[in-house]
This record gives sequence, structure tokens and C-alpha cells, in this order.
Amino acid sequence: DAGVIQSPRHEVTEMGQEVTLRCKPISGHNSLFWYRQTMMRGLELLIYFNNNVPIDDSGMPEDRFSAKMPNASFSTLKIQPSEPRDSAVYFCASSARRLYGYTFGSGTRLTVV
Amino acid sequence: ELKVEQNPLFLSMQEGKNYTIYCNYSTTSDRLYWYRQDPGKSLESLFVLLSNGAVKQEGRLMASLDTKARLSTLHITAAVHDLSATYFCAVDRTSGSRLTFGEGTQLTVNP
Repeated sequence: DAGVIQSPRHEVTEMGQEVTLRCKPISGHNSLFWYRQTMMRGLELLIYFNNNVPIDDSGMPEDRFSAKMPNASFSTLKIQPSEPRDSAVYFCASSARRLYGYTFGSGTRLTVV
Repeated sequence: ELKVEQNPLFLSMQEGKNYTIYCNYSTTSDRLYWYRQDPGKSLESLFVLLSNGAVKQEGRLMASLDTKARLSTLHITAAVHDLSATYFCAVDRTSGSRLTFGEGTQLTVNP
């Protein structure tokens, strides 16, 4: 299994631009999570999906952030417009209800200048 | 709101020494997870503790869970430099739900 696949690995963009982060969960995993990691705030859950349905988006900072999961093998996190304070590492993780544990992708390091 | 607290947040130790990292959490849960993160890397799963009294060991690391005290420990035995990393504990309420992380413990093992 290739694990959780995220793209891009690094993204540098200018303030105001739209940014789209992508995630492919492990096949057979029915839960998908988006986390953000910063030095100041640590690891924060932004949103998670069960069976492609958003369950808890209370961690999404504001309306500039949106996430979709159109099918079991793909999810996107979009920031529009981006701001410098969005600079962070964004991790995607997946898990399966019948198992225990969460597998994390390699992350996307986002820099907004 | 579920809170997870680790201590210490920074730990510098000499090779060959033993030490323990503590993880407290604020609400009832039977599951606790330990992860390791190297600088610039992702989170690697170390242990999944699924019940009160659970103890797991891998190499120089041993993790335990006391659900009554809402406490987990990660014990390091005879530390080596390769163990230098940041260690996170995390708790969820049910499988596949929100996973809440502690602040992380940055461990540095000096020769």
C-alpha cells in the first residue's frame, strides 16, 4: 500500500491566490482528516469526513477554507483567498473504523508570501 | 472539550539514561496513540493503546495506559541519539473520530 498520498509537497503562493491541497487516502479507509501544524498552535484538526460526508468542520478557521471529498479516494482542501497566516504544514490522515490508528500523509508545506 | 497535555515539552537527556514522558487527558477514553515526528517529516505511529492497563514495548520505548487516571506514559530506556524526535500523544473518543493531540515533547538525546 502506498499510504496516504498528498500533493503538492511544497507550495509557495502569493497572498490572495487560491490554493488547493490534495489527498488520496488509503484504500478501504472510510475516515479522512485534515490537520494543520504550526509552531504556535501545534496540530489542529480542521475537518474530518466519514464515508465521504463531512462530520465535523468546527476547526476550519473561516470561510476562506473549504474541503470536499467527492469520492472515497480523493479529498481537497482549498483556501481562497490565501493569507500569510495560513502558512503551515497541512497533513491529511485516514483511518478505518474496523481498525485502530490513523495513518498520516507526508504533508504539504504551504508558504503564503 | 477534550484536552491533552504532555510534559515535559522539552527534554534533553544523555545517551544511556532513562526517562518518562507523561500524557494527561481530560475526558473518558479507552484509546490513546503515540506518534513520533522527525523534523520536516510526517507523523509515524508508535503505539496504539486500547484498554486500561495496556502496555506495549518496541525496542527502547514502552508505553502504558491508565484510563482511570487518564494518564499514559512513554518510557525511554537507555536512550540513544536515534531517538531524538518530537513525540506526540493523542486521544480519540471513538474509532475514526476526532483525534486530539498533545503539544508534543521535543526529545534531544546527547552523546
